[in-house]
Amino acid sequence: KQEVTQIPAALSVPEGENLVLNCSFTDSAIYNLQWFRQDPGKGLTSLLLIQSSQREQTSGRLNASLDKSSGRSTLYIAASQPGDSATYLCAVETQGGSEKLVFGKGTKLTVNP
Amino acid sequence: NAGVTQTPKFRVLKTGQSMTLLCAQDMNHEYMYWYRQDPGMGLRLIHYSVGEGTTAKGEVPDGYNVSRLKKQNFLLGLESAAPSQTSVYFCASSSLGLGQETQYFGPGTRLLVL
Repeated sequence: KQEVTQIPAALSVPEGENLVLNCSFTDSAIYNLQWFRQDPGKGLTSLLLIQSSQREQTSGRLNASLDKSSGRSTLYIAASQPGDSATYLCAVETQGGSEKLVFGKGTKLTVNP
Repeated sequence: NAGVTQTPKFRVLKTGQSMTLLCAQDMNHEYMYWYRQDPGMGLRLIHYSVGEGTTAKGEVPDGYNVSRLKKQNFLLGLESAAPSQTSVYFCASSSLGLGQETQYFGPGTRLLVL
């Protein structure tokens, strides 16, 4: 059964700092990996989607990498801002089974002014 | 273009009561999904649909039923609510199957079962 782990569970940084969020998964047979953002009391917003054949994706100050063979992904946020404060969720689509998109529990990020 | 909307936003039920959660999308998406989000558990897939008239079970389908009579709507039913179904429910949709495009999420429905 696919399991997705995100470390750390919570992170607090000063504004302007570069930071890395980590995601690991146990089954490397995936179609893709996605990073989402969730603000308190809100739904999820997709940030980046990396297909299994890709190594990384970039959007603005965000860069996500994927190492499928080792079961790891990182989300790099450059020059963090208070508006980046949210919970960041990693999810993988597994091949086969009924689990489909499997989510990690998230990393709660706080960027302090 | 409202994207994905969910009704109601919040509901309190007594054990044994029934209710239906409505999800609507205006993006002409084929695929729709229902998730529940619980503290310490992350999001888990309840049921999903790959097109009008189709439904399939996800990871945690027990105690729920779904229907997709119209392409734009996906209904989640609780026939006899239990306290274990207290959760935040999210609906999502996508135009292609998983792996080819991201899912778009609704704002969620908070359900409390007493």
